[in-house]
This record gives sequence, C-alpha cells and structure tokens, in this order.
Amino acid sequence: AQSVAQPEDQVNVAEGNPLTVKCTYSVSGNPYLFWYVQYPNRGLQFLLKYITGDNLVKGSYGFEAEFNKSQTSFHLKKPSALVSDSALYFCAVRVPNQGGKLIFGQGTELSVKP
Amino acid sequence: NAGVTQTPKFRILKIGQSMTLQCTQDMNHNYMYWYRQDPGMGLKLIYYSVGAGITDKGEVPNGYNVSRSTTEDFPLRLELAAPSQTSVYFCASSFLTGRNTGELFFGEGSRLTVL
Repeated sequence: AQSVAQPEDQVNVAEGNPLTVKCTYSVSGNPYLFWYVQYPNRGLQFLLKYITGDNLVKGSYGFEAEFNKSQTSFHLKKPSALVSDSALYFCAVRVPNQGGKLIFGQGTELSVKP
Repeated sequence: NAGVTQTPKFRILKIGQSMTLQCTQDMNHNYMYWYRQDPGMGLKLIYYSVGAGITDKGEVPNGYNVSRSTTEDFPLRLELAAPSQTSVYFCASSFLTGRNTGELFFGEGSRLTVL
C-alpha cells in the first residue's frame, strides 16, 4: 500500500539555524513527491515537488528538499530558519493511475524560536 | 483569480442534521478533491472527481456524498451528521494531464462541529 511517514510530530529550531523536516514514503513505481505548508487556520500551500531529474529540488520561501531513492526519503530543508517559518508541514505522495490524488503524512509542527 | 473558494467557513450542526459544503474553483481545473483534516492524522481523502459528471470514493467516504455537474463546482453533502464528522474540510483542485505531475491548490477550509 502507498504511504507516507513523517517520523517527527514536532521539530524545534533556533532562528538562523538550519532545519530539516523528515519524510519517508512507500509507493510502487516512480514516486511524485510534494511538500505543503499550513499556517494556522489557513489552507495548505504548495512548497515544492519532485517529479524526476535532479535529486535536490528548490521551492518557495528558500526551502529545498532532497530526494533519496535508496532510502525512500524526501526530507525538507532550509539553510537558515526564520521565526515566520513556524507552521505545520505536510509531505505527500501521488498515487500512480489513481485520479491524481495525494496521500499525506500526518504532518510535522515546526517551531522556530528567536 | 480567486482560486478555490469554500463556504461556509464555520458551521455547527446537531446530530442527524444534513448540510452541504460548497466548493468552487475558477482555474478551469479538471480534477477536484475533498479532504478532511483531524489533529495528528494528516489529511484523508473523502471523494474526488476527474471531471464533470465523474466522481469516485477516497479513503473515508462513508457518511458523505458528492456531485460534479460543472467543472467549477464540487459540493460535499453530509447526510445525518454524526460527532465523528467533526473536522476541518478542505476542497482542492488540480490541472492534470497524462503524467499527473501538477500540484493541488487548496481552499481555506470549512470547520464543522457536530454536537
């Protein structure tokens, strides 16, 4: 079965430090992977996606993600965290040939302290 | 473009009542989705549609119905509301071609409480 796991419910980082939000996936075939961010009482906003090609994908707000096929991971990273990055982050995988739907991880709460 | 618009934003229902959550998009997207979000559970797919007149069940369809009579609108109907349907509901849309690489665009959510 296709699935996505975000092993950390919460990640705490000091402002200016690098951040990593972890994601692993299980899918048959080539995965299409996505990261979304959700601010309080808002909808999800698209950050970046991996379809094919370069394993390092760059996205919005200075975020990037590294696709690792051997470890079936797609970790979200940012070199220098901002307090305004504090939000709920979701990793998602697209299920092949099933209506384009996304399967989401349970989310990771990122807290960046000054 | 307004994107994906959901109404209402908040609603309280009594057990056994019915209601419809409205969703409309103005991006001419062919695919539309309804997800529910519960704390610590991520998003679960309720129903989705690949085009007008075509709908299909997702992971958690029980207690819900949908229709897609136009490209723009994808309402979600709750029949006989139960406390287990207390959740935040998100509508999303996407433009997908054969490779299905497009991202989803989400509405702002509808917070439903069933008492």
